[in-house]
Amino acid sequence: DIQMTQSPSSLSASVGDRVTITCRASQSITSSLNWYQQNPGKAPKLLIYAASSLQSGVPSRFSGSGSGTDFTLTISSLQPEDFATYYCQQSYRTPYTFGQGTKLEIK
Amino acid sequence: QVQLVQSGAEVKKPGASVKLSCEASGYTFTNYAIHWVRQAPGQRLEWMGWINAGSGHTKYSQNFQGRVTITSDTSANTAYMELSSLISEDTAVYYCVRVATSGTTWFDPWGQGTLVTVSS
Repeated sequence: DIQMTQSPSSLSASVGDRVTITCRASQSITSSLNWYQQNPGKAPKLLIYAASSLQSGVPSRFSGSGSGTDFTLTISSLQPEDFATYYCQQSYRTPYTFGQGTKLEIK
Repeated sequence: QVQLVQSGAEVKKPGASVKLSCEASGYTFTNYAIHWVRQAPGQRLEWMGWINAGSGHTKYSQNFQGRVTITSDTSANTAYMELSSLISEDTAVYYCVRVATSGTTWFDPWGQGTLVTVSS
């Protein structure tokens, strides 16, 4: 199985901050990397697909980049509703696997 | 709008089976694959398998050692996931998800989730 590792596992930040979350794959997954946001008690929501494409309806402050094994999710200016847990997911090969999550908390 | 509505919470004893449903609306059911993903308490999301809702073709994660069966009923626009030989580690929220676009493997939307508790 392809292992997905996110860093950091948790992050404290303030409204208006620029934040970057990293996801690393155990082997090359080309651009087959997706990002999700999950609020407590809710289902995840798709933010970014194919490494850098913004899902319809997602604010433009979210962006993704990377290819191969290293990927990043950037939030350009944190808003109160952005404090949540973020997961990366590889869709290169089954079993599709997720990172362990990055919990973004208010400083 | 596109919506996936899942069946209600279940409590099962170890060794039993559970069958969850996922009713789709707002789109042509047979045009999109449905996947199942679970999340144990405090754990990462775990992919279980998928079904081509049109053809019925399935593929499963080998991590479940043959315990997962995914089916669909096109007349009811509903997908099902059965997990057998339950153990306590199967306690989790189970999500059905649709691929965002036909032929892709990123997930949107997600069902609301079904909590399965395995306890003696």
